[in-house]
Amino acid sequence: GESVGLHLPTLSVQEGDNSIINCAYSNSASDYFIWYKQESGKGPQFIIDIRSNMDKRQGQRVTVLLNKTVKHLSLQIAATQPGDSAVYFCAENIRGYNKLIFGAGTRLAVHP
Amino acid sequence: NAGVTQTPKFQVLKTGQSMTLQCAQDMNHEYMSWYRQDPGMGLRLIHYSVGAGITDQGEVPNGYNVSRSTTEDFPLRLLSAAPSQTSVYFCASRPGQKTIGYGYTFGSGTRLTVV
Repeated sequence: GESVGLHLPTLSVQEGDNSIINCAYSNSASDYFIWYKQESGKGPQFIIDIRSNMDKRQGQRVTVLLNKTVKHLSLQIAATQPGDSAVYFCAENIRGYNKLIFGAGTRLAVHP
Repeated sequence: NAGVTQTPKFQVLKTGQSMTLQCAQDMNHEYMSWYRQDPGMGLRLIHYSVGAGITDQGEVPNGYNVSRSTTEDFPLRLLSAAPSQTSVYFCASRPGQKTIGYGYTFGSGTRLTVV
């Protein structure tokens, strides 16, 4: 497979623990944020999104938190499983331009 | 629904050759985008479109052209391939309205090598 995540920061967690992946964004005009999961050899897969007028949104085993004051986004994964091992990207939608810009990504490694 | 379909899956080009990467979606999505992903890196936006007949440049547009004559198709043209364009190319689409829960849907990618 392709070397996705080869040079990206890595978060290592034990199976069953909670994972927190962080992302800093730079554009104060961003109005919408998305977290994606990318497994080796595949395209990014949508996980969860949040509008800029929200602070928190929950999905199945995942929670996204948005702190606009410090331009910070986080993805929390509860009870991390081996299948969660992948590279995770945050992306921001630039208001008025409708284009999605991706962050650098974090590799999540889940150990038994 | 097939989702977002990219062809070809793999391609090797010689420096200076031109080619078109195809992208088609059958979800009636208004928005479509092209990204490139270099080994071990994130995704960078090349060009994007918010509807048929409308395109705009992303972060790294040089060396690429796009057109959007139909809602379904968004081809990416490499004008004169260079080794620096060796990458994995992803096409993505989403509905035009910003309905929560509708992130971009990505294709499986085209792996391009320029020698």
